[in-house]
Formats: sequence, structure tokens, C-alpha cells
Amino acid sequence: GIQVEQSPPDLILQEGANSTLRCNFSDSVNNLQWFHQNPWGQLINLFYIPSGTKQNGRLSATTVATERYSLLYISSSQTTDSGVYFCAAPNYKLTFGKGTLLTVNP
Amino acid sequence: GAGVSQSPSNKVTEKGKDVELRCDPISGHTALYWYRQSLGQGLEFLIYFQGNSAPDKSGLPSDRFSAERTGGSVSTLTIQRTQQEDSAVYLCASSLGFEQYFGPGTRLTVT
Repeated sequence: GIQVEQSPPDLILQEGANSTLRCNFSDSVNNLQWFHQNPWGQLINLFYIPSGTKQNGRLSATTVATERYSLLYISSSQTTDSGVYFCAAPNYKLTFGKGTLLTVNP
Repeated sequence: GAGVSQSPSNKVTEKGKDVELRCDPISGHTALYWYRQSLGQGLEFLIYFQGNSAPDKSGLPSDRFSAERTGGSVSTLTIQRTQQEDSAVYLCASSLGFEQYFGPGTRLTVT
């Protein structure tokens, strides 16, 4: 099956800093989703982005399907951005990466 | 509109007992999925229902696990003769196309 790898595994930022999270996948995808898991365990949809670029406020994502990677950008980070960020692929049966644990300090 | 709901939110059971976990998908979504999240294994796919088609059970870890979906809507995941390694958060998701939306999960603790 597909391999989904995320980096970095951990990231600590000061409030206001920018960051880039990466997701590499080993095969072509019809589905690439980014999620934020909040401290209560809820998976929040950030982006559905099998290709191209999308933006939503301070967050944006780019997937380069031909090179099999996706990037999640967080600008002007806030303490409420803390949590685990997951990417998942490739279609109906999602394979999740191990996640990036983001800590934003005030 | 209402999101995916799951019940109970927490379940503590004794080893060897059977448990049932319930999922109510988003209204109108034709596909329903079960995943589980555990410390050792991360997030894993369990089973997938699409309309009236036979479910994809390829992720179920053993024959103690089963699931059904009634009337194309509500789903129940049943774990028979629970073991300690079944302790995890069980997540349900639903979708109309590829994009999946997750419920809050059921935390299962087997003592």
C-alpha cells in the first residue's frame, strides 16, 4: 500500500512565526487531505487538495502530485494552532502519516 | 449543518465483554468509514461502506470485529470478546465524494 510520511515530527514556534509542514506519499493519489487534531482529539478538516494550491485565511496548502508531496503553510501562528497535523491519502481508504506535533508558545 | 456524531463518547469495559459503538453520518453522505487511533499504531482504516455495495472490510484486525450499516445511514461497530489491545479511540467518518469528515470518536478502554 501507499506510504505517507510527514516531517518534521515535532515543531516548536513562537507566536507570530511562520511554518511549513511536509507530506510525502509514495503513489498517485485521488485524495489528499490535511487535518488538525485539536487537544480534544477531534480531527478538523483543513484542506482537500489532491493537486494545486488552496488558501484559507492564515493557512495554505500546495500539492505537487507529479512529485508526490504536499506542503501545509501556517503563517503568523497563534497558540490555538497547537496540536497535531495529519496528512492522509490516497483515496477512500485513507492512510495517515504519523503527524507533526506543533506547539506554539505565547 | 450537523456533523458526524458518535456514541458513546467514552466506554470502559471488562476484557471478554462485547461492545457496540454507534455512528450517525452527515445527512446525505453515501459513504461511511471506521478508523481507529491508538498510541502504537497511529490512525488505521478499519472498514468502508458505500451505498448498497458490499463493505470493504480489509482493515478489520480480526474476526472479533464486525460492522453493519442500516438503511444506508447509521452504522454500528461491534467488538466481541474485547481484549486489552482493542483499547483505542474509534473514529467514524462520512463523505459524499472523496473528502471525509470525522466524528469526535469513542474512547474505548478495556480493563
